[in-house]
Amino acid sequence: GEDVEQSLFLSVREGDSSVINCTYTDSSSTYLYWYKQEPGAGLQLLTYIFSNMDMKQDQRLTVLLNKKDKHLSLRIADTQTGDSAIYFCAESGSSASKIIFGSGTRLSIRP
Amino acid sequence: KAGVTQTPRYLIKTRGQQVTLSCSPISGHRSVSWYQQTPGQGLQFLFEYFSETQRNKGNFPGRFSGRQFSNSRSEMNVSTLELGDSALYLCASSMGQGEETQYFGPGTRLLVL
Repeated sequence: GEDVEQSLFLSVREGDSSVINCTYTDSSSTYLYWYKQEPGAGLQLLTYIFSNMDMKQDQRLTVLLNKKDKHLSLRIADTQTGDSAIYFCAESGSSASKIIFGSGTRLSIRP
Repeated sequence: KAGVTQTPRYLIKTRGQQVTLSCSPISGHRSVSWYQQTPGQGLQFLFEYFSETQRNKGNFPGRFSGRQFSNSRSEMNVSTLELGDSALYLCASSMGQGEETQYFGPGTRLLVL
C-alpha cells in the first residue's frame, strides 16, 4: 500500500543547513509535498515538486527527488529559530486529492 | 484572498454525542478534503468532496460522514463519539481539477470526554 516514512527528530545548530529525508512507496505519485506545522497550528504548504522533476529551489528551500529510489529531501539553508516546527513529507498517492502523509520530523534548533 | 477557515476551533463533547464541523474553502476552490490528526496515527485522510459529491474516501467507519454545499463549503459529522475520536480535524481545499496543491485550514480540535 501507500506509505511515507521519515525520521522523527532532527536537531541542527542555528545558521547551519537542515536536511530532512523521506521515502515513499507509491511510484504513481504525481506530486510530492513538504508541509510545516508549528505548535497549535494547521499545516502550511512549504513547497511541492512534480514527480518528473529532480530538484526545485525556492529561496532557502531546496527539494531533491530521486524517483528511482523513491527518496525525497528538503534542505533548509541558514536554519533559523523560526524554522522550529514539525515537517511533513507527503505524496499525492493514487488520487491527487488524497494526500498520504509521513509521521513528521520535529526540527529543533540549537543556539 | 482569504484562506481556508474552520469552525469551531475548539470543541469538547462527551462519548455518545455527535458533532458537526464546518470548513469554508478558499474562494474558487471546489474540492474540500478532510483529515484527522492524532498523536498515535498521525495525519489520515477521511474523505474528499468535489461539486457536492464524495469523490474519495479513506478507511474510517461510517460514523464519519460529510457533505458539501453548492457554495463549496463542507461539513463533517461524527456520530456516536468515542474517546479515540479526540483529534485535530483539518480540512484542505484545492481547485480539484488537476492542479492539486491543497491548502489547509487551522483545524478544529475536538476533545471527547
